[in-house]
Order: sequence, then structure tokens, then C-alpha cells
Amino acid sequence: GAVVSQHPSWVICKSGTSVKIECRSLDFQATTMFWYRQFPKQSLMLMATSNEGSKATYEQGVEKDKFLINHASLTLSTLTVTSAHPEDSSFYICSARGRDSGERDTQYFGPGTRLTVL
Amino acid sequence: GENVEQHPSTLSVQEGDSAVIKCTYSDSASNYFPWYKQELGKRPQLIIDIRSNVGEKKDQRIAVTLNKTAKHFSLHITETQPEDSAVYFCAATLSGSARQLTFGSGTQLTVLP
Repeated sequence: GAVVSQHPSWVICKSGTSVKIECRSLDFQATTMFWYRQFPKQSLMLMATSNEGSKATYEQGVEKDKFLINHASLTLSTLTVTSAHPEDSSFYICSARGRDSGERDTQYFGPGTRLTVL
Repeated sequence: GENVEQHPSTLSVQEGDSAVIKCTYSDSASNYFPWYKQELGKRPQLIIDIRSNVGEKKDQRIAVTLNKTAKHFSLHITETQPEDSAVYFCAATLSGSARQLTFGSGTQLTVLP
């Protein structure tokens, strides 16, 4: 199956700093990438949807100025958590959806990034 | 928008027994239903999916059934093994559209040895 990588796998930062998380589709072109947040023992909460070359679409309640998303190419999307605070600590997971006919609907997930804000 | 409900939230079975997880969806236009397995601290992995033009799909010990009329679909795991222990998520979407997957709340499956 298709492979999605995410970097870093974990990060610890001080309150007030910014953190960038990268999501890459390694062996397919991802027309759409999704960013999720997952709290312990909870489901995946969609934060935003990003299409290559256009602005991301944010879900209700997600601050676009705090969670900056850039989808610069068909294989890379980045999420930047700006001015991070302890309440932003969470597991962030990206997923990618390809444009080949066999993959059009399937979302492939990255391994996630554990963010801890001190 | 789409709303997916999943039951039960936790499920414990003895090794070798079967496990069934059920989901209902609200949008009759949805026609693609994947199931993901997520082990602790790891990524969700697609284990099986079904489209609305079929009623059942099997892959070894895993099967999914779909009832379009009732708008519900189920995951069946037979001959469960300890390595089946994980959180399982169902999801629904409209195939080929720009819509994202709508996930259920997840089921923590524990297979007792």
C-alpha cells in the first residue's frame, strides 16, 4: 500500500514557541492531505483539509492563524503550530489521499507526531 | 453533514471467539466505508473497506457487511487472536468527492488469552 511519512515523530517544546510538522507521501501523489488531532482514547478529530496549491479548509473551531497549513507540492504538507501552549499537547496525525484511480478514496495515515508543550 | 456512530466503545472477547463492531451513518449519499485498526501510539491502518454496490466483503478472518437501507455496516472478526487487540474505527464518505472521511468514535477491542 501507499506510504505516508511524518516528521518528527515526537517533539517537546517550550510554551510560546512554534513547531513545524511535515507530512510526506512517499510513493504516490497526494491531491489532498488531512490533518487530525487525537487525544488519548479518543477518535480522530479532523482539523483541516489541504489541497495542493490552494488554501487549507479548516474545521469549525480550529484557529487558522494558530495552525498554519501549507501544501506546497503533491507530496508534502506541513502543519505549523504557532505560539504553542500546553493545551496544544496532543497526537497530530496526517493522512493523504492519492489521485490514482485505485487510491482515490483511501486515506493513508502517517505515523503521527506526539507534541508536548511544557 | 455526515454523522457516524459506532458501538460498542469497548469489547472484550476470549481468544478464538468472534467480535462484531457496528456503525451507523446518517448521509444516504455515502457509499465508501473503510475500517481502520489503530494500535496504541501508532497510525491507523486500513484493514478492509466496502463500497455500496456490494453487501459483504471478506478478507481471511475479517469481513464487513453493509445494509444500505438501514444505513449501517459492521466489522466481523472471527477466530480472534491477542494481536487483534487494538482500537478499531469505522468511517464513511462519498466516493470520488472532495469530502473527508467521517470517523466513528472507535471501539477498543481486547482479546483475552
